[in-house]
Amino acid sequence: QKEVEQNSGPLSVPEGAIASLNCTYSDRVSQSFFWYRQYSGKSPELIMSIYSNGDKEDGRFTAQLNKASQYVSLLIRDSQPSDSATYLCAVNTGTASKLTFGTGTRLQVTL
Amino acid sequence: GAVVSQHPSWVICKSGTSVKIECRSLDFQATTMFWYRQFPKQSLMLMATSNEGSKATYEQGVEKDKFLINHASLTLSTLTVTSAHPEDSSFYICSPLRTGDEKLFFGSGTQLSVL
Repeated sequence: QKEVEQNSGPLSVPEGAIASLNCTYSDRVSQSFFWYRQYSGKSPELIMSIYSNGDKEDGRFTAQLNKASQYVSLLIRDSQPSDSATYLCAVNTGTASKLTFGTGTRLQVTL
Repeated sequence: GAVVSQHPSWVICKSGTSVKIECRSLDFQATTMFWYRQFPKQSLMLMATSNEGSKATYEQGVEKDKFLINHASLTLSTLTVTSAHPEDSSFYICSPLRTGDEKLFFGSGTQLSVL
């Protein structure tokens, strides 16, 4: 059983729309949650971190966490073509900052 | 932010040769370094965790004698792929952990292609 699951996509949204990316995790003791963006051939770049239930907003990005449902999501408002990338969900179960990554969701923002 | 320098960006080598990858934290000290590997269209998989001045801890299935990790200082760690084979071709990424921080920052990655 995968520990962090994401739909591989591709998720296609038109420019200006809201992109919604979802992630579920299996370990209930998980404490920290991260969203990374990865362009093809590049290393991941941290977008958001979230630690408590609810929403956390940063510019066009909003992370949502529901620990009871073991679910974390990322919303991207006013999607731009430059947002086209693979988005990785990562979970820290508290073991020395080790992260477990999902396989990523590929987002395509179309003109 | 945290500046991480990883070299080389890409390397092509013959089967049986060894390749060294360097990772430096330029504006912070890292007592812990994570090394990840990513195969095409797959997620990042943690290979090993190293702490400055001590031996690395390898994840299950990762051969410690094949992937040699040296973390001799708080700003430099190296990963050496010994006797590389085509199945070792992958994207290798380092991630130094800034002291007191929980967020991970990544090096730019090294694309290794073994012929």
